[in-house]
Amino acid sequence: EAGVTQFPSHSVIEKGQTVTLRCDPISGHDNLYWYRRVMGKEIKFLLHFVKESKQDESGMPNNRFLAERTGGTYSTLKVQPAELEDSGVYFCASSQVPRYGYTFGSGTRLTVV
Amino acid sequence: GNSVTQMEGPVTLSEEAFLTINCTYTATGYPSLFWYVQYPGEGLQLLLKATKADDKGSNKGFEATYRKETTSFHLEKGSVQVSDSAVYFCALSEGGGFKTIFGAGTRLFVKA
Repeated sequence: EAGVTQFPSHSVIEKGQTVTLRCDPISGHDNLYWYRRVMGKEIKFLLHFVKESKQDESGMPNNRFLAERTGGTYSTLKVQPAELEDSGVYFCASSQVPRYGYTFGSGTRLTVV
Repeated sequence: GNSVTQMEGPVTLSEEAFLTINCTYTATGYPSLFWYVQYPGEGLQLLLKATKADDKGSNKGFEATYRKETTSFHLEKGSVQVSDSAVYFCALSEGGGFKTIFGAGTRLFVKA
C-alpha cells in the first residue's frame, strides 16, 4: 500500500508569507495527526483528525495555524503569516488503530527567513 | 502531565556491540508504548510497540519490555550494525484519541 505522502519536502519562505503543507494519508485511515519538531527538540503534537472532524487541536500554537481535512481524505496545514519560530519539520501521520501506532510521512522541512 | 524521558545522545558504538537506550515514562492510566526510528533523510518508522504491562515488543533484532513497576521501556539489541545508525524515539500514547507523546530522541552512531 502507498504510505503517507507529504509535500513539499522542503519550503523556504520569508517572514510574513503564507505556506500550505499537504498530507495524503494511507487510504482508509480515519485518524490523521500533525506533529512538528523544532530545532531538534521533542516532536510535539499539533492536532488530530478523525475523518474530517478535528478531534483534538490542543497542540496548535496559535491562530496563525489552520488545519483542514477535506472530505476526510487529504489534509492541509496553513501557516499565515509565518514567523521565524515556525521553522522546523512538520510531520503528518495516519492510523487505522491508533493504539497500535502510526505511519508517518517523511515530513516537510519549513524554513522561515 | 504525561511525559517520556530517554537517555541523551549521541550514543556511539562499534559494530556488533550491545545496545541499550533507556526510556522511562510518566502516565496516568495504561498507555501504549512505542519505539520509533528515523533513518537519515527519512520519516519516522514504527520499530516496535507494547500495549500492556509485561508485553515485549520486538522487531529487526530490537526488543523492549513494558515494565509498569519501573515505568520503563528500554530498547535493546544484542549486536548492532552500521545500518542501525539513526535517531530513536521512545513514545507513549494516551487518551481516547491516542495522542502520542515523544521523547527527545537518541542519536545512535555505529562504527564499522
